[in-house]
Amino acid sequence: GIQVEQSPPDLILQEGANSTLRCNFSDSVNNLQWFHQNPWGQLINLFYIPSGTKQNGRLSATTVATERYSLLYISSSQTTDSGVYFCAVEQAGYSTLTFGKGTMLLVSP
Amino acid sequence: NAGVTQTPKFRVLKTGQSMTLLCAQDMNHEYMYWYRQDPGMGLRLIHYSVGEGTTAKGEVPDGYNVSRLKKQNFLLGLESAAPSQTSVYFCASRRLGSYEQYFGPGTRLTVT
Repeated sequence: GIQVEQSPPDLILQEGANSTLRCNFSDSVNNLQWFHQNPWGQLINLFYIPSGTKQNGRLSATTVATERYSLLYISSSQTTDSGVYFCAVEQAGYSTLTFGKGTMLLVSP
Repeated sequence: NAGVTQTPKFRVLKTGQSMTLLCAQDMNHEYMYWYRQDPGMGLRLIHYSVGEGTTAKGEVPDGYNVSRLKKQNFLLGLESAAPSQTSVYFCASRRLGSYEQYFGPGTRLTVT
């Protein structure tokens, strides 16, 4: 099956810093989503981004499908950004997501 | 709309006991999914359903059964719980024609 690798596995930031999270995948996909799991365990959709660039406030994401990677940018990080960020992909012909192991982000005040 | 809800939120079982987790969605979504999340493993798909009356196996189906008798509900059953099934279980749903999945709040299950 498709492999999804996220880096770094852990990240500690001071409030106000910027960060870039990376997701590499081993085959072509027609669906890529980024999720944030907050410290209470809730999974929240951030982006549906199989290709191109999207922005939502301080967060933006870019997927380069031909090179099989996606990047999630967090600018001016806040303590509320803490949690685990997951990348998940779906291949054409499937209706299921394969998740990476996540990047755990801790933003300290 | 309540979105995706899961019942119960927490449960402790003894080895060998059985239980059913309920997932309900009020968005009229066709697709529903059950995942388990273990430390350092991300989310892994257990079973899923592409419509009422249909189910299919995911990555880690052993020890679980599912049923989708009504479009809005997706049940996950453990017939004989084992300590290896201690995990957090998430349900998700998705509309036909859309790629985005929406998750419930999770059920934390401990098997002793």
